[in-house]
Amino acid sequence: RKEVEQDPGPFNVPEGATVAFNCTYSNSASQSFFWYRQDCRKEPKLLMSVYSSGNEDGRFTAQLNRASQYISLLIRDSKLSDSATYLCVVTSLNYGGSQGNLIFGKGTKLSVKP
Amino acid sequence: NAGVTQTPKFQVLKTGQSMTLQCAQDMNHNSMYWYRQDPGMGLRLIYYSASEGTTDKGEVPNGYNVSRLNKREFSLRLESAAPSQTSVYFCASILRSGQNYEQYFGPGTRLTVT
Repeated sequence: RKEVEQDPGPFNVPEGATVAFNCTYSNSASQSFFWYRQDCRKEPKLLMSVYSSGNEDGRFTAQLNRASQYISLLIRDSKLSDSATYLCVVTSLNYGGSQGNLIFGKGTKLSVKP
Repeated sequence: NAGVTQTPKFQVLKTGQSMTLQCAQDMNHNSMYWYRQDPGMGLRLIYYSASEGTTDKGEVPNGYNVSRLNKREFSLRLESAAPSQTSVYFCASILRSGQNYEQYFGPGTRLTVT
């Protein structure tokens, strides 16, 4: 089982739609969780951290279920500018011992259409 | 404040040639990373440097060497390039605060080996 798994998509949605991305991770010792956004031919950028209690940032809501080792990202009222690839990221103890380097999922591509 | 810079942006090499990818950050971060990103494979960690003077292997280190020249600079060297090393290479630096991470990426180097 891969460390971080995501549905690769693509998700094609109309403007204004609500879309949800899911991610599972295999290392129960992972401590920190993130969603990154990557635009075509650009570098990844941090979208938001994911906390156990769930957290919201405007139209974006992230949830973490440690028991199921599952992370989600919900985007409400999709905009054309939300079109990008969304990367699920968790810390891993495989590299760097207690340092916890970041392991990236392969990403889910979102395309928001007018 | 330039963040993370990488040179070159694009490079074409012939099989067997060598080159060094340069990376620098001006955020005084301790940890620096080299990733490669291939279609369908996501971001994979090549090498990292937890602090000045230390380097460690990541998931896919074969065919690469690194140097942490000082706190700012972390270079990646391909001694004898192979077509399998055609990829987009991202350098990153990380700021840690407890369980919170913020990882900053450079704009990437697009390398083609023929």
